[in-house]
Amino acid sequence: AQKITQTQPGMFVQEKEAVTLDCTYDTSDPSYGLFWYKQPSSGEMIFLIYQGSYDQQNATEGRYSLNFQKARKSANLVISASQLGDSAMYFCAMRGAFTGKLIFGQGTTLQVKP
Amino acid sequence: DVKVTQSSRYLVKRTGEKVFLECVQDMDHENMFWYRQDPGLGLRLIYFSYDVKMKEKGDIPEGYSVSREKKERFSLILESASTNQTSMYLCASSRDSTYEQYFGPGTRLTVT
Repeated sequence: AQKITQTQPGMFVQEKEAVTLDCTYDTSDPSYGLFWYKQPSSGEMIFLIYQGSYDQQNATEGRYSLNFQKARKSANLVISASQLGDSAMYFCAMRGAFTGKLIFGQGTTLQVKP
Repeated sequence: DVKVTQSSRYLVKRTGEKVFLECVQDMDHENMFWYRQDPGLGLRLIYFSYDVKMKEKGDIPEGYSVSREKKERFSLILESASTNQTSMYLCASSRDSTYEQYFGPGTRLTVT
């Protein structure tokens, strides 16, 4: 069975500092995709970044990067130069090889302090 | 920009009522999904659809049904609402199974 685990229910970071949100996964699929979504207090889920299991390089999108360590089955999100607008809940998700279904972690609430 | 809209942001219903949650996407996406979100549990998939008139059960389909008569519209139906169905309901769509999902704003349903 596929599983996503986010062990940090809540985190604080100082504005302009970098922060890492942890995500570990478990799957037996030969290929899979890993996603990070941001959910502000407004409720809408915003897609941030994607990493394919066969991608050789870690994904980056602006201030977001995904630290993908396949052997350790981890896909941590790194946010550089945190901004107040980064305060939100962040979800890690995984898609298996043969379906479009996403399995989500429990989420991490990030608060950026001024 | 992809737009996914949901019929209501907030909804209050009584136990036993039949409830319809509507979702519409404007990007001709093949796949559509319904999730519910509860604190500490993340998002859990209720139903999804790969094409018109096709539906597949997700992880927690009990107490729900869906309808997809047109490509752009995916409806979630609570046949007889119960208090344990009080939750945030999120609809999503994607071009196909390899692409990211785009989410609607969510419907916060309260069943009293």
